[in-house]
Amino acid sequence: EAQVTQNPRYLITVTGKKLTVTCSQNMNHEYMSWYRQDPGLGLRQIYYSMNVEATDKGDVPEGYKVSRKEKRNFPLILESPSPNQTSLYFCASRMTEYNSPLHFGNGTRLTVT
Amino acid sequence: AQSVAQPEDQVNVAEGNPLTVKCTYSVSGNPYLFWYVQYPNRGLQFLLKYITGDNLVKGSYGFEAEFNKSQTSFHLKKPSALVSDSALYFCAVRDRSQAGTALIFGKGTTLSVSS
Repeated sequence: EAQVTQNPRYLITVTGKKLTVTCSQNMNHEYMSWYRQDPGLGLRQIYYSMNVEATDKGDVPEGYKVSRKEKRNFPLILESPSPNQTSLYFCASRMTEYNSPLHFGNGTRLTVT
Repeated sequence: AQSVAQPEDQVNVAEGNPLTVKCTYSVSGNPYLFWYVQYPNRGLQFLLKYITGDNLVKGSYGFEAEFNKSQTSFHLKKPSALVSDSALYFCAVRDRSQAGTALIFGKGTTLSVSS
């Protein structure tokens, strides 16, 4: 089954403790992206990657890092999480063409205390 | 700059009635337009898209959307709502003339269909 897999689904952590949210897709998509979803704000893009070793900032990149060493994986790294990063995070992927729809993972709900 | 507006936070309809979820957009060039649906505890699922051609686009689960260039709108419609259509709906836009730009999402509209 074609899918985007994120782990974990739920994560509770404390301020300053480094964490990684993994994302993997099995559709051979070149483009991958991370979004955060907050009530009343919709989805905002954190980082995106057009292909392996090609990453770029989205609208809200502060406090986040990403890497794209393999085509299928696109982990999101929070080196020193803060409470304002408490949110619902989604990984997504699509084909290279700009009119291709995004395929989303089921989300990771992160709480930073 | 690109932007998307979904003017209604919530839309309530009775089962069997037609539904409309509104979306207006702003781009400097011509748009690619998308609708996604999100069910509880799930990621967004693609419903339909407008690229070019016929202004009426048909998508999954009986949904359709009408592109209106003069009104810069892309409203989502369904002739007969189902209780199972209750979910959060997002409109999204990308300016096709600007390579590399992100897909911009609206804030979402909660659709509630009552039996």
